[in-house]
Amino acid sequence: GAGVSQSPRYKVAKRGQDVALRCDPISGHVSLFWYQQALGQGPEFLTYFQNEAQLDKSGLPSDRFFAERPEGSVSTLKIQRTQQEDSAVYLCASSSGYGAVTQYFGPGTRLLVL
Amino acid sequence: SQQGEEDPQALSIQEGENATMNCSYKTSINNLQWYRQNSGRGLVHLILIRSNEREKHSGRLRVTLDTSKKSSSLLITASRAADTASYFCATDEGGNNRLAFGKGNQVVVIP
Repeated sequence: GAGVSQSPRYKVAKRGQDVALRCDPISGHVSLFWYQQALGQGPEFLTYFQNEAQLDKSGLPSDRFFAERPEGSVSTLKIQRTQQEDSAVYLCASSSGYGAVTQYFGPGTRLLVL
Repeated sequence: SQQGEEDPQALSIQEGENATMNCSYKTSINNLQWYRQNSGRGLVHLILIRSNEREKHSGRLRVTLDTSKKSSSLLITASRAADTASYFCATDEGGNNRLAFGKGNQVVVIP
């Protein structure tokens, strides 16, 4: 079947603008993860969903970041009042298991905040 | 926070040579995984090794794990130009619901 898809692939936002990033996981995958990857660095964990429940949001850098997965499938990561330091690639991953098992990543959304 | 730390950071080799990269971590783990990332793309899972395993093979990949030294190595044999990518190790930090990634190794295979 299809892999993890993310949209948009690229997003340019003006500082202070709100953005919403979408993730479509592999059908039937119960776990969904969001990561933030700065240039030249490894991905940093943001948040984890098991079905519709957000079990871990300890990686969200500030209260401007909000994620949801209301029906246990598609997830949206929202960033309010974007700042330049939010510029990064946002990766979504899903897995059929629970927790830190093999994860399948989407292509990412590259966010540039001017 | 970054758990794994790969060493070396950048590697340039000729096609056909072997490439070895290392990763160290700080906490106890249940498993350690290696991922590959091609330029501008998402990560692709390569191999997972559990904490009670010492070595694992998958095609041209060989992974070792030394839990006493908290380190792992990834060996790619008979490298190809298509192996050019960044390679990341990631651990579960002993059962967290997340992966902790290292900074990554950039590998360039020259045809």
